Amino acid sequence: EIVLTQSPATLSLSPGERATLSCRASQSVGSNLAWYQQKPGQAPRLLIYDASNRATGIPARFSGSGSGTGFTLTISSLEPEDFAVYYCQQRSSWPLTFGGGTKVEIK
Amino acid sequence: QVQLVESGGGVVQPGRSLTLSCAVSGFTFSSYGMHWVRQAPGKGLEWVAVIWYDGSNKYYGDSVKGRFTISRDNSKNTVYLQMNSLRAEDTAVYYCAREKEWLVNWFDPWGQGTRVTVSS
Repeated sequence: EIVLTQSPATLSLSPGERATLSCRASQSVGSNLAWYQQKPGQAPRLLIYDASNRATGIPARFSGSGSGTGFTLTISSLEPEDFAVYYCQQRSSWPLTFGGGTKVEIK
Repeated sequence: QVQLVESGGGVVQPGRSLTLSCAVSGFTFSSYGMHWVRQAPGKGLEWVAVIWYDGSNKYYGDSVKGRFTISRDNSKNTVYLQMNSLRAEDTAVYYCAREKEWLVNWFDPWGQGTRVTVSS
């Protein structure tokens, strides 16, 4: 099983600041990595797939990068609605796995 | 628009069974694989199972293998999750999700979830 480790667990930032979230895989997943956003009481939403492609309707302030074992989700300038939990997920091999999540909270 | 609506959750005793349903609309159901993903209270996401668009292949997470069965009825636009021998650790919100594209296992979109509580 591929283990995804997200860091930090919590990121405390102010609106307008840049957020950088990390996801590290226990073995190479190529570009087979996605990012999801989940707000309290809501289902997750796909943000980024294939490591760097924005899903439909996702604002340009969200960007993804990386390949192999190291990946980054960047939010260039935090909006109030961006404070949420973010998960990475790999589809390189079965079973599909998620990282433990990073909570982006208001400082 | 695309909609996924889960149902069938509730409170069940350990060792008993429960079947969840996910009814979909707004897209050609028989062209997409479907997944179940769960989230225990206050915890992260855990992938549970997938079924291919035509039902020909199924895969399961290690924690549910041998106890849970995923199935689908393409005539009813519905995917199911039969859960047997339930344990306290199966307590979670269960989401169904569509694969983003044919045989591409990104989850998009998701249903709103149905809550399962395993307790005596």
